Amino acid sequence: DADVTQTPRNRITKTGKRIMLECSQTKGHDRMYWYRQDPGLGLRLIYYSFDVKDINKGEISDGYSVSRQAQAKFSLSLESAIPNQTALYFCATSDRESQPQHFGDGTRLSIL
Amino acid sequence: SQELEQSPQSLIVQEGKNLTINCTSSKTLYGLYWYKQKYGEGLIFLMMLQKGGEEKSHEKITAKLDEKKQQSSLHITASQPSHAGIYLCGARPINAGGTSYGKLTFGQGTILTVHP
Repeated sequence: DADVTQTPRNRITKTGKRIMLECSQTKGHDRMYWYRQDPGLGLRLIYYSFDVKDINKGEISDGYSVSRQAQAKFSLSLESAIPNQTALYFCATSDRESQPQHFGDGTRLSIL
Repeated sequence: SQELEQSPQSLIVQEGKNLTINCTSSKTLYGLYWYKQKYGEGLIFLMMLQKGGEEKSHEKITAKLDEKKQQSSLHITASQPSHAGIYLCGARPINAGGTSYGKLTFGQGTILTVHP
């Protein structure tokens, strides 16, 4: 089983719908992150959390919200989806500050 | 803010050729991470560099961080079709207090194609 699991893997939805992407991890890491990837733009940080009671905005948090339900779970919500939120979304985890981040397989989200 | 520029943006090589991908930072790097991504899939961690002048190798891939800690290179020797994918560098920026925020900024990626 994957250490960082994202669900769903693919989602097609319509403008204005509320969407939740879920991430769970079995690595025991405290730190969790949500990124989006767009062609030619690399990965951009949406939100991150260093423990269950800690939530921080990244560089592109507008239009998104997150919930850290437990150490192992970090969900990303789009309250009212719009087409320019069509992208590949990644969840990642890390142990300590200096350690590399470990990524899930991504969720491909298309908003029509 | 930290900016990472990767070059080239894309690269097409014949199997067996050597190649280099560069990652240049606008600021001093606290830590530099190389990842590989197959199209539409997750990122696989390759190597981490932290010290100026550091060099690490794994199989046919070698990564270096320059002494000033503002540029890193990823070199693949005798490339194979299995090396194809997107290579991304990520870095932890240093704030004014000299510490890291603990989150990564990524370059835009280099798309590598290896023809058999």
